[in-house]
Formats: sequence, C-alpha cells, structure tokens
Amino acid sequence: EAQVTQNPRYLITVTGKKLTVTCSQNMNHEYMSWYRQDPGLGLRQIYYSMNVEVTDKGDVPEGYKVSRKEKRNFPLILESPSPNQTSLYFCASSPLGGGLPPGTQYFGPGTRLTVL
Amino acid sequence: GDSVTQMEGPVTLSEEAFLTINCTYTATGYPSLFWYVQYPGEGLQLLLKATKADDKGSNKGFEATYRKETTSFHLEKGSVQVSDSAVYFCALTHLSGGYNKLIFGAGTRLAVHP
Repeated sequence: EAQVTQNPRYLITVTGKKLTVTCSQNMNHEYMSWYRQDPGLGLRQIYYSMNVEVTDKGDVPEGYKVSRKEKRNFPLILESPSPNQTSLYFCASSPLGGGLPPGTQYFGPGTRLTVL
Repeated sequence: GDSVTQMEGPVTLSEEAFLTINCTYTATGYPSLFWYVQYPGEGLQLLLKATKADDKGSNKGFEATYRKETTSFHLEKGSVQVSDSAVYFCALTHLSGGYNKLIFGAGTRLAVHP
C-alpha cells in the first residue's frame, strides 16, 4: 500500500530534550516536506527536500533541523524543544513531474507533540 | 505574498443539508487551487483540484469552481452526510525556488449531525 508513515504518533516531552520524528514514504517520491498545524493558522511549511541531500527552509524553520540521506526517509529533529513547538506535525511527499498537478501531496497521519 | 482565506468554522449542519465553505485567495500569476480534507485522527487527503480559471473540480459529491474574476474557490455539496464531518483546507500552489509550494488556509471544521 502506498503510504507516508510517521513515528511516533504522540509524544510528550520536556523542554530541552532532543527528539526526532521519523517520516518514511514507499512511493519513491523525490519531494518531501514537513508542516506544523496550529489552530487558526492552517498548515505552515517547516522544511522541504527536493531529493537526497537537497533540503531547504520553509516558512517556519527556526528550532528545527532535517536530513535526507535516503530517498524514502525525511526525519525532523528538534535539538532543544520549547513549549512553542507544541503542535501537530505532518510529513508529506510528492513526485516531481509524473503527470500530477503541482501541489498534489500525500500526507502522513500526523504526530502530536507536547513540550512541557 | 500569496495567501488563502477561508470562512471561519465550525460549521454545523444537519444531514442532507447544503454545504458551502467559502475560500478566496491572493496570488500572483496563475496558481492551481486545491481542497484537502482531514478526517478525525488522520492526515490530509486531496479532495479536489482545479488548475486553471473556470475549471471545476469534483469528487465524492463535492464541487468547487476556479473563479479568477472573484479570486474564489468555494467548496459546495448538495447533501452532506455524517461521514463528511472533517476539517476542510483550501490551498494554492506558489512557485517558489523552482518548485510548487502549497499555501494553506486556516481550515474550516464541519460537523454534520443526524
């Protein structure tokens, strides 16, 4: 089954304790992206990657890191989490080209993070 | 910059009622427009899309028409069901750095009661 998976689905942590949220897709997509969803703000892009070893900042990158060492994986790293990073996080992927309209993305189920 | 504005929710309807969720946008150029749906506890799914002016996107009984003159992409359904209860996001693409980035509205929560 074609899918984007994220782990963990729920996480409660404390300020300053490094954490990683994993994202994996099995569709051989080049493009992957991380979003955070906050009430009244919709989804905002944190980081994106056009392919292996190619990453760039989105609209709200402060406090986050990413890496893309393999095509299928795109982990999100919070080196020193703070309470303002409490949010719902989504990973998404899409092919570049391939006939799909630009903007057609496949989303993971989300990770709800609480930073105390 | 490019942006999307949606009507605020929540929207509460009885089953079989008519649904409209308003969406307007601000964009340079000619963006593609999308409606994504988020069911409880799940990620977003593409509901429908339109890539040029006057296109109508449709899926699962939902429709939206790309109106360039009013910069709108309102979502409609003639008869909602309880299973349509979800959060609906209007979005557009924006060409940035050589790729098409999605810009989302704030989302509108729909609750349908039997």
